[in-house]
Amino acid sequence: GQNIDQPTEMTATEGAIVQINCTYQTSGFNGLFWYQQHAGEAPTFLSYNVLDGLEEKGRFSSFLSRSKGYSYLLLKELQMKDSASYLCAVSPPDSWGKLQFGAGTQVVVTP
Amino acid sequence: EADIYQTPRYLVIGTGKKITLECSQTMGHDKMYWYQQDPGMELHLIHYSYGVNSTEKGDLSSESTVSRIRTEHFPLTLESARPSHTSQYLCASSESGLGELFFGEGSRLTVL
Repeated sequence: GQNIDQPTEMTATEGAIVQINCTYQTSGFNGLFWYQQHAGEAPTFLSYNVLDGLEEKGRFSSFLSRSKGYSYLLLKELQMKDSASYLCAVSPPDSWGKLQFGAGTQVVVTP
Repeated sequence: EADIYQTPRYLVIGTGKKITLECSQTMGHDKMYWYQQDPGMELHLIHYSYGVNSTEKGDLSSESTVSRIRTEHFPLTLESARPSHTSQYLCASSESGLGELFFGEGSRLTVL
């Protein structure tokens, strides 16, 4: 396995910024993915990092440091609809989409 | 809009019954996957397929079986359901195989 660790839950206020950290251990690496999953719904793809650095997509940004086995997802200008579970997933070498997921971080946005 | 469909969404059945969970996608993706997810837990890959007549078992051992006779269709079958099979089953597909997966809405199975 990839030993993917992320916090269980985070709470933040509407309009604020929240950073969800993810650490992983792997001997090889094809990319790191973030998915959003609302309660009772299917996960949806948010972002993908294969090289070190920051990828920005509107209110969401994702950062990767391969040497540290570390990534974070940054959610800015939080909205109530951002309340969901955020899943960190690693793509091992030659895996062709066979992602290994963390348990997810439940983000609760309060008014 | 959903281009990957799973049926049934919810199923409650008795022990020993045979069930098939259907998954179809209209995107023409070669790569398809079945993940299992218990509440509050991570998704675990149980089956995958890289194309027609190609199926492999995933990291999590499962008593289920799959088939891939057509590109768009990837059904999962349990020959004899048990309470330990109670879970949510998520089907996904990918065009590139790099990791951007499109998930179906899931099939929530309860075995009594």
